[in-house]
Amino acid sequence: NAGVTQTPKFRILKIGQSMTLQCTQDMNHNYMYWYRQDPGMGLKLIYYSVGAGITDKGEVPNGYNVSRSTTEDFPLRLELAAPSQTSVYFCASSYGTGMNTEAFFGQGTRLTVV
Amino acid sequence: DAKTTQPNSMESNEEEPVHLPCNHSTISGTDYIHWYRQLPSQGPEYVIHGLTSNVNNRMASLAIAEDRKSSTLILHRATLRDAAVYYCILRDYGGSNYKLTFGKGTLLTVNP
Repeated sequence: NAGVTQTPKFRILKIGQSMTLQCTQDMNHNYMYWYRQDPGMGLKLIYYSVGAGITDKGEVPNGYNVSRSTTEDFPLRLELAAPSQTSVYFCASSYGTGMNTEAFFGQGTRLTVV
Repeated sequence: DAKTTQPNSMESNEEEPVHLPCNHSTISGTDYIHWYRQLPSQGPEYVIHGLTSNVNNRMASLAIAEDRKSSTLILHRATLRDAAVYYCILRDYGGSNYKLTFGKGTLLTVNP
């Protein structure tokens, strides 16, 4: 029972490099989310998706891009990494509506940009 | 989006009950009250949710005020493993609020 899987767990990037954070879920959830969490702070929503082919911006989308070509996968792309993007990134998924909308989170990707 | 207000931090002793408050005075009729917690160095995990009636599960109880403007998460016997940040979130079941937005939460410290 995998749930939400994020890869990699850790990554160090140099300023200006690009990378993709992978997120996949096996629960057939339609909603998926990307958050970032800076040290000692709460989670901020970057992007979310209500289904395959549909994505929308959250609170802090600048510097990031997402795609949702399948129900299972929701990769987050960082272009031209900056030190301000040093953070822990969490992916989550849930059913969108109805009673059982408990969200499940991955274990996070710790990203350092130097 | 309707907002929630929680104390920044609370402290408890092991084996004692803990009552974590949350104010949500602008809650709408279709908002469910969700609680999540985040253990150190982990992703958030679901704790409990409810609409109007009090709710119990294996982790906690949720007490909701009659006017729904506030709620309380109750941990019946705190353990050291309950030390975490607890988030109170409003989730619209009407289908219009797709976001799952976290506030700052309450940092719970459990003393041995």
